[in-house]
Amino acid sequence: NAGVTQTPKFRILKIGQSMTLQCTQDMNHNYMYWYRQDPGMGLKLIYYSVGAGITDKGEVPNGYNVSRSTTEDFPLRLELAAPSQTSVYFCASSYEGVGNIQYFGAGTRLSVL
Amino acid sequence: AQSVTQLDSHVSVSEGTPVLLRCNYSSSYSPSLFWYVQHPNKGLQLLLKYTSAATLVKGINGFEAEFKKSETSFHLTKPSAHMSDAAEYFCVVSVFSGSARQLTFGSGTQLTVLP
Repeated sequence: NAGVTQTPKFRILKIGQSMTLQCTQDMNHNYMYWYRQDPGMGLKLIYYSVGAGITDKGEVPNGYNVSRSTTEDFPLRLELAAPSQTSVYFCASSYEGVGNIQYFGAGTRLSVL
Repeated sequence: AQSVTQLDSHVSVSEGTPVLLRCNYSSSYSPSLFWYVQHPNKGLQLLLKYTSAATLVKGINGFEAEFKKSETSFHLTKPSAHMSDAAEYFCVVSVFSGSARQLTFGSGTQLTVLP
């Protein structure tokens, strides 16, 4: 199993550009999550989804959008990139149940210059 | 609301000596607690989890953690450090918020293992 796959691994954007970070999982998990990790910090939740067609905001949603049209895919959209969005982005997925173990992708390192 | 405090941002140990990474939490409800490890330029990997069963939890690679409700602590230990243990470790609390169980991460502890 591939688990959670994120693309691209690295990206440099200019201020005001837009891009989509891709995330796909092959574990048939109903829950999916997007986090950002700033240097020296823990992860902060951006958006999450409890199933296809259902999304909700996390702790730091401003400047981002998501959609969930299939169980497998949960793309994260940056519409007008700003330097404050320079970060490492992690996608995760889980079953909902006891313990709620989240499985993480390898991350996308994004720089906005 | 829940929160997690990792008491040390950096810990250095010599290879073969014990490891102790400290974590305190606060939560209004009975939490699930986790330790994740992140090796450089890698995603996060689950080390172990506590979900209200046994208070002493065994994880992968020889790591253990003990849930102490009276002290609101969930410290991570390993009897003998190995060079491959050098990584960043995150203590995480999980509670229901909104429509999903959400994770709150500590700020991380960087473990250095000296030869």
